[in-house]
Amino acid sequence: EAGVAQSPRYKIIEKRQSVAFWCNPISGHATLYWYQQILGQGPKLLIQFQNNGVVDDSQLPKDRFSAERLKGVDSTLKIQPAKLEDSAVYLCASSPRARGFTDTQYFGPGTRLTVL
Amino acid sequence: EDQVTQSPEALRLQEGESSSLNCSYTVSGLRGLFWYRQDPGKGPEFLFTLYSAGEEKEKERLKATLTKKESFLHITAPKPEDSATYLCAVQARGGATNKLIFGTGTLLAVQP
Repeated sequence: EAGVAQSPRYKIIEKRQSVAFWCNPISGHATLYWYQQILGQGPKLLIQFQNNGVVDDSQLPKDRFSAERLKGVDSTLKIQPAKLEDSAVYLCASSPRARGFTDTQYFGPGTRLTVL
Repeated sequence: EDQVTQSPEALRLQEGESSSLNCSYTVSGLRGLFWYRQDPGKGPEFLFTLYSAGEEKEKERLKATLTKKESFLHITAPKPEDSATYLCAVQARGGATNKLIFGTGTLLAVQP
């Protein structure tokens, strides 16, 4: 079974530029998550989708971050404009069941973003 | 506020030297406690889920246990390939979100 795929793996941009990340979850997984992991910290949830609807985006900086999950499969996360503090690893995860259940979240390899 | 604290921040062991990692948590209602392993440049890899106090799970040299306030990850006779960052996370009961609340991890180095 193929795992969670993410691209690109690395991205370097100047502050105030825009950037987009792509995620393809494990086939058949209903729920998709985007986490931000700053160096030396644990991952922090940015947004959770169930199919193509948003379940939780309470920690997403909506003035600069946006995300979508078209057709309930792939997802993109965009930052516009980027700030220095956005330098982090952006992790995508998916889980098989819907919200409100305890089930395992499987993570992709992440995209390491450096903002100069 | 739901919170996870891991200790120690870093641990260096000799090959074969057993030890334990600690994860203390406060959560309004525990739906599950998760252990992940993270290698440099990679995403977290799932190890265990624990649901209730007294539960234990094992996988090769690793054993995870759970009480009402903390979880331990016991490593028996570690090998250099066990070197990684070990992350603990909790999922709170109630509400629609399945978000995991992570600790900052324990960086384990096992020397041959």
